Amino acid sequence: AQSVAQPEDQVNVAEGNPLTVKCTYSVSGNPYLFWYVQYPNRGLQFLLKYITGDNLVKGSYGFEAEFNKSQTSFHLKKPSALVSDSALYFCAVRGVYNFNKFYFGSGTKLNVKP
Amino acid sequence: EPEVTQTPSHQVTQMGQEVILRCVPISNHLYFYWYRQILGQKVEFLVSFYNNEISEKSEIFDDQFSVERPDGSNFTLKIRSTKLEDSAMYFCASLTPGTGPNTGELFFGEGSRLTVL
Repeated sequence: AQSVAQPEDQVNVAEGNPLTVKCTYSVSGNPYLFWYVQYPNRGLQFLLKYITGDNLVKGSYGFEAEFNKSQTSFHLKKPSALVSDSALYFCAVRGVYNFNKFYFGSGTKLNVKP
Repeated sequence: EPEVTQTPSHQVTQMGQEVILRCVPISNHLYFYWYRQILGQKVEFLVSFYNNEISEKSEIFDDQFSVERPDGSNFTLKIRSTKLEDSAMYFCASLTPGTGPNTGELFFGEGSRLTVL
């Protein structure tokens, strides 16, 4: 079975500091991993994805994510947080046997304080 | 940039009433989805749709729910007899074409907020 876990309900960080939002996955086979962001009262927006290749994936708004196979993790990172980054972040994995099925984590609320 | 559009943005209904939520997916996408989110929390899969039929559905998607693509562009979610616990944000999504290394990603609409009184 495929699943992702986001161990933190909330992450608090000061503006200008680096941020990390954690995600671990459980997949039988090669994982296809995604990060989405949801701003208040908005739909989910695609940030970045890992399919294959370089373990460090760069995405929108200065975000990047590091794929770590040995730790089965795909943490979202940004070197310098902005107040406008405050949002709900979702990690997702695409099904291995059913490419059209996506499994979402429970979400992590990121609060960036000025 | 192409986008998924949803209507209405907000609907208030009485318990037991029928509700239809509408979505226009991105035109060259082939897979369509409905998800729901209660109180800004977990995003729950309801159903996926491909080639004019349901591809997969979750346990949430019981007999009171139905989906159809009546005219080749709109993709609708119908709730026949709404219950209080159906109050949620309903998101439509469509999947960019691609397999393998070009694996597509989901594009979401802005959502339809359903309030059942």
